[in-house]
Amino acid sequence: DAKTTQPPSMDCAEGRAANLPCNHSTISGNEYVYWYRQIHSQGPQYIIHGLKNNETNEMASLIITEDRKSSTLILPHATLRDTAVYYCIVRATGGGNKLTFGTGTQLKVEL
Amino acid sequence: GAGVSQSPRYKVAKRGQDVALRCDPISGHVSLFWYQQALGQGPEFLTYFQNEAQLDKSGLPSDRFFAERPEGSVSTLKIQRTQQEDSAVYLCASSPRTSRPSNEQFFGPGTRLTVL
Repeated sequence: DAKTTQPPSMDCAEGRAANLPCNHSTISGNEYVYWYRQIHSQGPQYIIHGLKNNETNEMASLIITEDRKSSTLILPHATLRDTAVYYCIVRATGGGNKLTFGTGTQLKVEL
Repeated sequence: GAGVSQSPRYKVAKRGQDVALRCDPISGHVSLFWYQQALGQGPEFLTYFQNEAQLDKSGLPSDRFFAERPEGSVSTLKIQRTQQEDSAVYLCASSPRTSRPSNEQFFGPGTRLTVL
């Protein structure tokens, strides 16, 4: 699976949009971009995934560049409960495909 | 419905003891994964089951680590002769068998193992 690069930490004011970047320059054609987050003392939680088109769900939006070498996760109106470590993961699909986590981005949402 | 549950939530072991960690996946989920998370690091893959078959155990760090899922539901991760470097949070995740890309894994809360 392709390696990803994320900033170690970011801060965001509550109510503002949080934009979390991820570089995955070695992504291959059959690999998707997944985002998970891990709130302190909990297991990781799925957020969103995409292949090449931008995606949006009730939690977030995912913007993938045209060359697919980078992406941005957008939390449109961050709340204190969004404080967590966010992991960008690139992998091929399939039931048996493990997740390869990096060290992620620690997002701190403040008043 | 119920999510993935793990027990115990916390385990303290003396070095050299054997431990067993349990995972109850979401009912009907075919795939089950174990991950190890050291302090300040992201989770690292240990092993994967599809039903009762262990299809990938490439992440198990040594032959002291053993996992089973005999009836294709509950899984147990066993660590023999625990060492201090085994101290970590052990996460279990399950996933429905699907060919769709949205093959998300549902994680349990983890078991925090401390080896003294």
